[in-house]
Amino acid sequence: GNSVTQMEGPVTLSEEAFLTINCTYTATGYPSLFWYVQYPGEGLQLLLKATKADDKGSNKGFEATYRKETTSFHLEKGSVQVSDSAVYFCALRAPTGYGKLTFGQGTILTVHP
Amino acid sequence: DSGVTQTPKHLITATGQRVTLRCSPRSGDLSVYWYQQSLDQGLQFLIQYYNGEERAKGNILERFSAQQFPDLHSELNLSSLELGDSALYFCASSPTPGGAGYNEQFFGPGTRLTVL
Repeated sequence: GNSVTQMEGPVTLSEEAFLTINCTYTATGYPSLFWYVQYPGEGLQLLLKATKADDKGSNKGFEATYRKETTSFHLEKGSVQVSDSAVYFCALRAPTGYGKLTFGQGTILTVHP
Repeated sequence: DSGVTQTPKHLITATGQRVTLRCSPRSGDLSVYWYQQSLDQGLQFLIQYYNGEERAKGNILERFSAQQFPDLHSELNLSSLELGDSALYFCASSPTPGGAGYNEQFFGPGTRLTVL
């Protein structure tokens, strides 16, 4: 079946540090890939997405590139802010079926001033 | 604001009871998805409805059921509640297949269920 594996957290960084959160997936065919973010006490917000190999999704300074050869979709940001503290979820949507999302376990990010 | 609304925001109840969670999708979205977020299981897909019909089932217990009404709002019914059912329940909606943003799911703020 489909699955998503994220790097284990929590991740603690100082403001302006570089962020990488690793995400790899297992799926048949060409899934769509997503990063969602959950701020404390809130629901999930779509951060970025990529729907085909070599696509780069980007938003709010975050980027992730769909790598079919390594089945990866790592999230990166060049300079994190305290306001980026949240839980980040990598997810996939299989090309077949009815659109359900399969999520990774989530990575807690804490950014200190 | 995603445009997806869920009520209630919090629900506290006792074991053995039954509760109903409500979700209103974004205007125009025909698909509704329910997910459960718990500490031990993470975020898991429960069930999907499309225009009133069940389309896909995930790890949904037999004690749980859902439906989507003609006005497209959806309800998730949880019965014979157990302590382990305590979780955050999210509803999401997505645009009609073929429409702009079809791949995306927009999540509501969730209902936090506590079973005592």
